Amino acid sequence: NAGVTQTPKFQVLKTGQSMTLQCAQDMNHEYMSWYRQDPGMGLRLIHYSVGAGITDQGEVPNGYNVSRSTTEDFPLRLLSAAPSQTSVYFCASSPGTSGSYQETQYFGPGTRLLVL
Amino acid sequence: AQSVTQLDSHVSVSEGTPVLLRCNYSSSYSPSLFWYVQHPNKGLQLLLKYTSAATLVKGINGFEAEFKKSETSFHLTKPSAHMSDAAEYFCVVSDSEYGNKLVFGAGTILRVKS
Repeated sequence: NAGVTQTPKFQVLKTGQSMTLQCAQDMNHEYMSWYRQDPGMGLRLIHYSVGAGITDQGEVPNGYNVSRSTTEDFPLRLLSAAPSQTSVYFCASSPGTSGSYQETQYFGPGTRLLVL
Repeated sequence: AQSVTQLDSHVSVSEGTPVLLRCNYSSSYSPSLFWYVQHPNKGLQLLLKYTSAATLVKGINGFEAEFKKSETSFHLTKPSAHMSDAAEYFCVVSDSEYGNKLVFGAGTILRVKS
């Protein structure tokens, strides 16, 4: 099992450019999510999905779009990058069963994004 | 609403001395609590979790934490620090209302001096 994988590892964008951060998992997990990590703020939830075709907003969704067409993949799209989106982005997954708040979530290695 | 407060942004200990990283939480429902560790430029690794079973939870690498409902605390301890413990540690809460959505503390950076 590769677990949770993310690509790219590092990306530099100019303000206004768009891009997609890729996330994939091979554990057949129903629940997937995206977080951003900023110094002194821990990780904050951007968007999440409880299964294919179902997505919802987290704490900081503005400027980001997601879709979930398959169980395995959960891409994060930046429509028009802004310097405030400079951050480290983590994807996570968990089985998503009932009682799900007790589940361990598995994190990918992260994507470091710099917006100039 | 859930929230997590990590009481120290930085903790410095000498190798071989005890480690204490403090965490207080707020939750309207029975919470699950986690400690994750992040080594420099790495992803997050689960150290341990509390899910309403035993209040003293043992994790990997000699770490443990005690859930104290009356104090709304979940402090992380280790009897003897090792140089490899130097990292950032996150206390995390979820509950039955919020499901899989995790709420992170701001993190505590642990420095281990030789």
